[in-house]
Amino acid sequence: GDSVTQMEGPVTLSEEAFLTINCTYTATGYPSLFWYVQYPGEGLQLLLKATKADDKGSNKGFEATYRKETTSFHLEKGSVQVSDSAVYFCALSVEQGAQKLVFGQGTRLTINP
Amino acid sequence: DTGVSQDPRHKITKRGQNVTFRCDPISEHNRLYWYRQTLGQGPEFLTYFQNEAQLEKSRLLSDRFSAERPKGSFSTLEIQRTEQGDSAMYLCASSYYRGTVYEQYFGPGTRLTVT
Repeated sequence: GDSVTQMEGPVTLSEEAFLTINCTYTATGYPSLFWYVQYPGEGLQLLLKATKADDKGSNKGFEATYRKETTSFHLEKGSVQVSDSAVYFCALSVEQGAQKLVFGQGTRLTINP
Repeated sequence: DTGVSQDPRHKITKRGQNVTFRCDPISEHNRLYWYRQTLGQGPEFLTYFQNEAQLEKSRLLSDRFSAERPKGSFSTLEIQRTEQGDSAMYLCASSYYRGTVYEQYFGPGTRLTVT
């Protein structure tokens, strides 16, 4: 079945450090890929998405590129801030039917000043 | 656009009791999804509606669970005879078709604790 595997956390970085959170997927169809973020005490928010190979999603300084050849969608940010501390979820949906989201287990990111 | 709302935000119940949660989607979103999230895990799909029709249910949704979306507006999720294993965050999301994909927007969730 469809699945998403994320880099194990927690991840702790200093402010202004470079961030990479790895995400790989397995899908029977041709999925769309998403990153969601969950700030403390809040609901899931869509951070960025990509719907076809080589698409780059970007938002708030975060980027991720849909790599079909490596079945990956790694999240990157050049310079993190304390306010980026949250749990990040990689997810996919296949284009037919429900288009339900299949999530990875999440990666908790803490940024220290 | 006020976002997806869920009520209640927290529910504590005793084992064996019935509970009902409500989700109000973003207006004009024709799809509504329910997910369950346990501690330290990503959300897992439970069921979804297209307008008022329930089109798919996960095998996670035992016969103690029932969901409705009368008139294609708000939705309710009921759990009968709750068990301790039902303790989780229950998330609702609504979506609309944007280009090539349904983008899902999540509510804040209802945290259920079964004692």
